[in-house]
Amino acid sequence: EVQLVESGGGLVKPGGSLRLSCVASDFTFNNYNMIWVRQAPGKGLEWVSSISSGSTYIFYADSVKGRFTISRDNAKNSVYLQMNSLRADDTAVYYCAREYAGWRQGPHTWFDPWGQGTLVTVSS
Amino acid sequence: DIQMTQSPSSLSASVGDRVTITCRASQRISTSLNWYQQRPGKAPKLLIYAASGLQSGVPSRFSGSGSGTDFTLTISSLQPEDFATYYCQQSYNTPGSFGPGTKLDVK
Repeated sequence: EVQLVESGGGLVKPGGSLRLSCVASDFTFNNYNMIWVRQAPGKGLEWVSSISSGSTYIFYADSVKGRFTISRDNAKNSVYLQMNSLRADDTAVYYCAREYAGWRQGPHTWFDPWGQGTLVTVSS
Repeated sequence: DIQMTQSPSSLSASVGDRVTITCRASQRISTSLNWYQQRPGKAPKLLIYAASGLQSGVPSRFSGSGSGTDFTLTISSLQPEDFATYYCQQSYNTPGSFGPGTKLDVK
């Protein structure tokens, strides 16, 4: 079964750091771009960052640029999110997802599957 | 960045009802629009890709349509497991922004 499992969430003080991990199974990991999406308590989904299959192309949301770093290790089927200078408004469930590239009357991408999420709480 | 809006933000309906949710993009995005379902406490799940493609394993009562800036998700006959929050997401460019969500609950 194609699966993603996140870990690394927890409680951290403002200004602190945390590293999230996401391990993939049952698909050829190095063929796919990967993304991180977060969801603050009671709020909607926010795209955070993406990394291409070979780590050549990396993008960040303006809200995390300069503080978060996405990376991947294709040998370990893993993608990471290093989060520094954390703030209270970074409190959220963080999901990793695969960016699937397919064809329907032209090339398109979508996010599938998603991991179960890991909760990051930034509080003193 | 492309901004996504959804309407309504919430919707009350009954089992068996036909429901339509609308999503609008701030610029033309062709058919680069996906729909996700999220049940409470769970991860989002892909329902519809490329505006109208039904993801494998998703019941046929779900359908999507639209192109350009205006899109719809329709549930033809609501089932108890369909009460959830629905998000649209554009994949025309990065960042792949999401709509604010439509919460569908029991009338």
